[in-house]
Amino acid sequence: AQKITQTQPGMFVQEKEAVTLDCTYDTSDPSYGLFWYKQPSSGEMIFLIYQGSYDQQNATEGRYSLNFQKARKSANLVISASQLGDSAMYFCAMREENSGGSNYKLTFGKGTLLTVNP
Amino acid sequence: NAGVTQTPKFRVLKTGQSMTLLCAQDMNHEYMYWYRQDPGMGLRLIHYSVGEGTTAKGEVPDGYNVSRLKKQNFLLGLESAAPSQTSVYFCASSKLPGQGSRFHEQYFGPGTRLTVT
Repeated sequence: AQKITQTQPGMFVQEKEAVTLDCTYDTSDPSYGLFWYKQPSSGEMIFLIYQGSYDQQNATEGRYSLNFQKARKSANLVISASQLGDSAMYFCAMREENSGGSNYKLTFGKGTLLTVNP
Repeated sequence: NAGVTQTPKFRVLKTGQSMTLLCAQDMNHEYMYWYRQDPGMGLRLIHYSVGEGTTAKGEVPDGYNVSRLKKQNFLLGLESAAPSQTSVYFCASSKLPGQGSRFHEQYFGPGTRLTVT
């Protein structure tokens, strides 16, 4: 079974509107972290936001927020007031902190390609 | 700080040739990782290292070897390249818990685009 599922291969949004990118995860580890990375067409991976499994509040970083629903095992990324520069591939990733030793490795989803239209 | 750098940026190999990809980080991170990114597959972990002199297999280790002789460098080797190894390779590094990073996020290099013909 996939550990990270991103069901939207592509999404379109109008500039200045908000958009939600979906991510569901599968783990039996009680301690884990969820990450979102952005990959623009230039190819680099840019860290956006993090949510820990024990965090009580949803994470926010500027225009990015993470809608964390633990019981549903979902960690959706919300981008408010979209900008043309937000057009990129977005990856959800999980770190399971008690399994496999303290290696802190990430498991990635397949990504969602976001296109912001002017 | 250069962060995480990768050498080379692009390479074309013939089947059966060998090569080494170099990753260097100047952030004094303990952990280093090699991923490959294929279309529609996301990033998959090849090998990783939790410290100088240690390496371990990730999700897709076959056909690759790694070495971490110095803390700042992590080398990925292909002994006999195959077309299936055509991919974009990313190196990443992260701190130990307690080293001052709130999230222990991974910092990525710019990637190496490898084509095997």
